[in-house]
Amino acid sequence: DTAVSQTPKYLVTQMGNDKSIKCEQNLGHDTMYWYKQDSKKFLKIMFSYNNKELIINETVPNRFSPKSPDKAHLNLHINSLELGDSAVYFCASSQDVTQPQHFGDGTRLSIL
Amino acid sequence: GIQVEQSPPDLILQEGANSTLRCNFSDSVNNLQWFHQNPWGQLINLFYIPSGTKQNGRLSATTVATERYSLLYISSSQTTDSGVYFCAAFNAGKSTFGDGTTLTVKP
Repeated sequence: DTAVSQTPKYLVTQMGNDKSIKCEQNLGHDTMYWYKQDSKKFLKIMFSYNNKELIINETVPNRFSPKSPDKAHLNLHINSLELGDSAVYFCASSQDVTQPQHFGDGTRLSIL
Repeated sequence: GIQVEQSPPDLILQEGANSTLRCNFSDSVNNLQWFHQNPWGQLINLFYIPSGTKQNGRLSATTVATERYSLLYISSSQTTDSGVYFCAAFNAGKSTFGDGTTLTVKP
């Protein structure tokens, strides 16, 4: 059973398009996150939600809009995609912000 | 925010060798975690270690919170240990990842 699952695994699209990445966790965790890993492997937190409420928003352009319909899901919608958005996006979850994080397998986004 | 520095940036080992990876952080933290990113890109949580020492098989980790550093020990390395090792420091709900140590274990 996959603990944190993301879809799609790969996403190739044109500049200017709008796309969404979905994330679901079946661990019963209260906190979920989105991270961006760039081509140099640097990992940076983007957003954190606790029980469907936004608790961290790390100076991410407002073209990125997370949505948490319930505490098991945290989706990421990106408007007007730019070349610099090409990266691997990871979803993660933890029981709370002080507990171990479990990561999904990542979504590789490529902008043409 | 917290600064996290990892060393060395790259490490090449012969299978069977031991190694120590270091993580320094600039401020007090709520917790400290070590992750392994395998060659397929998956991020695996190795240790949740705000302080003290933990062991899991050939891997162990020690965090000295008062001196703001953590160490990851890999003993009897295997080729499957190859990948990037990240430490992440957590403070006030925010995590900061180091730049990682890329480990290559040669057969």
